[in-house]
Amino acid sequence: DAMVIQNPRYQVTQFGKPVTLSCSQTLNHNVMYWYQQKSSQAPKLLFHYYDKDFNNEADTPDNFQSRRPNTSFCFLDIRSPGLGDAAMYLCATSRDKEVQPQHFGDGTRLSIL
Amino acid sequence: GQNIDQPTEMTATEGAIVQINCTYQTSGFNGLFWYQQHAGEAPTFLSYNVLDGLEEKGRFSSFLSRSKGYSYLLLKELQMKDSASYLCAVVDSNYQLIWGAGTKLIIKP
Repeated sequence: DAMVIQNPRYQVTQFGKPVTLSCSQTLNHNVMYWYQQKSSQAPKLLFHYYDKDFNNEADTPDNFQSRRPNTSFCFLDIRSPGLGDAAMYLCATSRDKEVQPQHFGDGTRLSIL
Repeated sequence: GQNIDQPTEMTATEGAIVQINCTYQTSGFNGLFWYQQHAGEAPTFLSYNVLDGLEEKGRFSSFLSRSKGYSYLLLKELQMKDSASYLCAVVDSNYQLIWGAGTKLIIKP
Protein backbone atom coordinates (compact mmCIF):
# COMPACT_ATOMS: atom_id res chain seq x y z
CA ASP A 1 0.00 0.00 0.00
CA ALA A 2 1.18 3.51 -0.78
CA MET A 3 1.95 5.33 2.42
CA VAL A 4 3.89 7.84 4.49
CA ILE A 5 6.37 6.27 6.90
CA GLN A 6 8.04 8.01 9.81
CA ASN A 7 10.94 6.65 11.79
CA PRO A 8 11.30 6.19 14.65
CA ARG A 9 7.83 6.24 16.30
CA TYR A 10 9.40 7.29 19.59
CA GLN A 11 12.65 9.21 20.01
CA VAL A 12 14.33 10.17 23.25
CA THR A 13 17.23 12.60 23.21
CA GLN A 14 19.16 14.65 25.71
CA PHE A 15 18.85 18.39 26.13
CA GLY A 16 21.08 20.02 23.51
CA LYS A 17 21.91 16.78 21.66
CA PRO A 18 21.13 16.96 17.90
CA VAL A 19 18.43 14.66 16.63
CA THR A 20 17.15 13.77 13.15
CA LEU A 21 13.67 12.51 12.32
CA SER A 22 12.96 10.85 9.00
CA CYS A 23 10.01 10.53 6.68
CA SER A 24 9.57 8.57 3.49
CA GLN A 25 6.66 8.28 1.09
CA THR A 26 5.63 5.89 -1.65
CA LEU A 27 2.78 8.08 -2.89
CA ASN A 28 5.01 10.01 -5.33
CA HIS A 29 3.55 13.26 -4.04
CA ASN A 30 5.23 16.55 -4.89
CA VAL A 31 4.64 18.31 -1.57
CA MET A 32 5.99 17.23 1.82
CA TYR A 33 5.26 18.94 5.14
CA TRP A 34 6.67 18.85 8.66
CA TYR A 35 4.35 19.74 11.54
CA GLN A 36 4.90 20.01 15.27
CA GLN A 37 1.91 19.12 17.45
CA LYS A 38 1.72 19.49 21.21
CA SER A 39 -1.00 17.95 23.34
CA SER A 40 -4.51 19.31 22.64
CA GLN A 41 -3.13 21.88 20.18
CA ALA A 42 -3.44 22.37 16.46
CA PRO A 43 -0.63 21.03 14.28
CA LYS A 44 1.91 23.82 13.66
CA LEU A 45 3.50 23.91 10.23
CA LEU A 46 7.31 24.10 10.40
CA PHE A 47 8.36 23.64 6.75
CA HIS A 48 7.09 22.42 3.46
CA TYR A 49 8.72 21.42 0.18
CA TYR A 50 7.08 21.73 -3.20
CA ASP A 51 9.35 19.36 -5.10
CA LYS A 52 12.78 20.81 -4.17
CA ASP A 53 11.44 24.30 -3.46
CA PHE A 54 11.89 24.79 0.30
CA ASN A 55 9.47 26.97 2.31
CA ASN A 56 10.25 27.93 5.87
CA GLU A 57 7.44 29.27 8.06
CA ALA A 58 8.28 32.71 9.49
CA ASP A 59 8.00 31.59 13.11
CA THR A 60 9.90 28.29 12.79
CA PRO A 61 12.87 28.46 15.19
CA ASP A 62 16.37 28.54 13.67
CA ASN A 63 17.06 25.42 15.71
CA PHE A 64 14.97 23.44 13.19
CA GLN A 65 16.19 22.58 9.72
CA SER A 66 15.03 20.26 6.99
CA ARG A 67 16.42 18.36 4.02
CA ARG A 68 14.73 16.68 1.08
CA PRO A 69 17.41 14.79 -0.85
CA ASN A 70 14.91 13.25 -3.26
CA THR A 71 11.15 12.97 -3.90
CA SER A 72 10.69 10.10 -1.47
CA PHE A 73 12.59 11.24 1.61
CA CYS A 74 12.49 14.22 3.94
CA PHE A 75 14.37 14.83 7.19
CA LEU A 76 13.83 17.13 10.15
CA ASP A 77 16.98 18.13 12.04
CA ILE A 78 16.79 19.69 15.48
CA ARG A 79 20.24 21.08 16.21
CA SER A 80 20.02 21.72 19.94
CA PRO A 81 16.75 20.43 21.34
CA GLY A 82 15.28 22.24 24.31
CA LEU A 83 12.61 21.02 26.71
CA GLY A 84 10.03 23.03 24.78
CA ASP A 85 10.69 20.95 21.67
CA ALA A 86 9.15 17.83 23.19
CA ALA A 87 6.16 17.12 20.95
CA MET A 88 4.73 14.89 18.25
CA TYR A 89 6.32 15.58 14.86
CA LEU A 90 4.11 14.80 11.90
CA CYS A 91 5.18 14.38 8.30
CA ALA A 92 2.51 14.79 5.63
CA THR A 93 2.33 14.77 1.84
CA SER A 94 -0.03 16.08 -0.79
CA ARG A 95 -0.09 15.50 -4.51
CA ASP A 96 0.56 19.11 -5.46
CA LYS A 97 0.18 22.69 -4.30
CA GLU A 98 -3.49 22.96 -5.25
CA VAL A 99 -6.07 22.03 -2.66
CA GLN A 100 -5.57 18.37 -1.87
CA PRO A 101 -6.00 16.30 1.29
CA GLN A 102 -2.78 15.82 3.21
CA HIS A 103 -1.73 12.26 4.00
CA PHE A 104 0.02 11.86 7.32
CA GLY A 105 2.57 9.43 8.67
CA ASP A 106 2.09 7.96 12.15
CA GLY A 107 4.30 10.63 13.68
CA THR A 108 7.41 10.61 15.86
CA ARG A 109 6.94 11.43 19.53
CA LEU A 110 10.06 13.24 20.71
CA SER A 111 11.00 13.33 24.39
CA ILE A 112 13.81 15.47 25.81
CA LEU A 113 15.67 14.40 28.94
CA GLY B 1 -5.38 37.42 12.19
CA GLN B 2 -6.63 34.04 11.13
CA ASN B 3 -8.76 32.06 13.53
CA ILE B 4 -10.51 28.71 13.70
CA ASP B 5 -12.86 28.03 16.63
CA GLN B 6 -14.09 24.62 17.73
CA PRO B 7 -15.41 23.41 21.08
CA THR B 8 -12.64 21.87 23.16
CA GLU B 9 -14.54 18.77 24.21
CA MET B 10 -17.90 17.08 23.66
CA THR B 11 -19.52 13.99 25.13
CA ALA B 12 -22.11 11.79 23.43
CA THR B 13 -23.71 8.38 23.86
CA GLU B 14 -23.08 5.30 21.74
CA GLY B 15 -25.71 5.04 19.00
CA ALA B 16 -26.62 8.73 19.16
CA ILE B 17 -25.91 11.65 16.79
CA VAL B 18 -23.43 14.46 17.49
CA GLN B 19 -22.69 17.72 15.66
CA ILE B 20 -19.26 19.32 15.96
CA ASN B 21 -19.18 22.99 14.94
CA CYS B 22 -16.35 25.00 13.44
CA THR B 23 -16.31 28.74 12.79
CA TYR B 24 -13.52 30.45 10.91
CA GLN B 25 -12.13 33.87 10.07
CA THR B 26 -9.40 33.61 7.46
CA SER B 27 -7.85 35.71 4.72
CA GLY B 28 -9.68 34.15 1.81
CA PHE B 29 -11.19 30.70 1.53
CA ASN B 30 -10.32 27.80 -0.73
CA GLY B 31 -12.03 24.98 1.11
CA LEU B 32 -12.42 23.33 4.49
CA PHE B 33 -11.20 19.94 5.66
CA TRP B 34 -12.24 17.74 8.56
CA TYR B 35 -9.72 15.28 9.99
CA GLN B 36 -10.05 12.60 12.66
CA GLN B 37 -7.17 12.05 15.08
CA HIS B 38 -7.10 9.22 17.61
CA ALA B 39 -4.96 9.79 20.69
CA GLY B 40 -1.27 9.40 19.91
CA GLU B 41 -1.90 8.86 16.20
CA ALA B 42 -1.75 10.98 13.05
CA PRO B 43 -4.74 12.82 11.59
CA THR B 44 -6.72 11.01 8.89
CA PHE B 45 -8.76 12.77 6.22
CA LEU B 46 -12.56 12.68 6.62
CA SER B 47 -14.10 15.27 4.30
CA TYR B 48 -13.59 18.36 2.15
CA ASN B 49 -16.12 21.13 1.45
CA VAL B 50 -15.61 24.06 -0.89
CA LEU B 51 -19.22 24.82 -1.91
CA ASP B 52 -22.12 25.55 0.42
CA GLY B 53 -24.20 22.61 1.47
CA LEU B 54 -24.05 19.14 2.90
CA GLU B 55 -21.63 16.38 1.85
CA GLU B 56 -22.61 12.93 3.06
CA LYS B 57 -20.20 10.03 3.40
CA GLY B 58 -21.64 7.04 5.24
CA ARG B 59 -22.17 7.83 8.93
CA PHE B 60 -20.31 11.13 8.58
CA SER B 61 -21.63 14.31 6.94
CA SER B 62 -20.05 17.75 6.67
CA PHE B 63 -21.84 21.04 6.07
CA LEU B 64 -20.48 24.40 4.93
CA SER B 65 -21.86 27.95 4.87
CA ARG B 66 -19.26 30.31 3.40
CA SER B 67 -21.33 33.43 4.07
CA LYS B 68 -21.43 32.58 7.78
CA GLY B 69 -17.87 31.25 8.02
CA TYR B 70 -19.30 28.08 9.51
CA SER B 71 -19.04 24.33 9.12
CA TYR B 72 -20.16 21.32 11.08
CA LEU B 73 -19.33 17.63 11.11
CA LEU B 74 -22.28 15.35 11.84
CA LEU B 75 -21.61 11.86 13.14
CA LYS B 76 -24.53 9.40 13.20
CA GLU B 77 -24.94 6.02 14.90
CA LEU B 78 -21.98 6.73 17.13
CA GLN B 79 -19.60 3.87 17.89
CA MET B 80 -17.00 3.63 20.66
CA LYS B 81 -14.26 3.78 18.01
CA ASP B 82 -15.44 7.30 17.10
CA SER B 83 -13.86 8.56 20.32
CA ALA B 84 -11.16 10.84 18.93
CA SER B 85 -10.30 14.47 18.25
CA TYR B 86 -11.87 16.07 15.20
CA LEU B 87 -9.88 18.87 13.57
CA CYS B 88 -11.26 21.53 11.27
CA ALA B 89 -8.77 23.09 8.83
CA VAL B 90 -9.34 25.91 6.32
CA VAL B 91 -7.35 26.60 3.14
CA ASP B 92 -6.72 30.36 2.93
CA SER B 93 -6.09 32.57 -0.11
CA ASN B 94 -2.39 31.58 -0.14
CA TYR B 95 -3.33 27.88 -0.12
CA GLN B 96 -2.02 27.61 3.44
CA LEU B 97 -3.86 25.20 5.71
CA ILE B 98 -5.05 26.90 8.92
CA TRP B 99 -5.79 24.33 11.63
CA GLY B 100 -8.19 24.43 14.54
CA ALA B 101 -7.08 22.95 17.87
CA GLY B 102 -9.59 20.12 17.52
CA THR B 103 -12.64 18.90 19.42
CA LYS B 104 -12.12 15.91 21.68
CA LEU B 105 -15.18 13.66 21.36
CA ILE B 106 -15.86 11.24 24.21
CA ILE B 107 -18.35 8.43 23.53
CA LYS B 108 -20.04 6.82 26.53
CA PRO B 109 -21.77 3.42 26.42
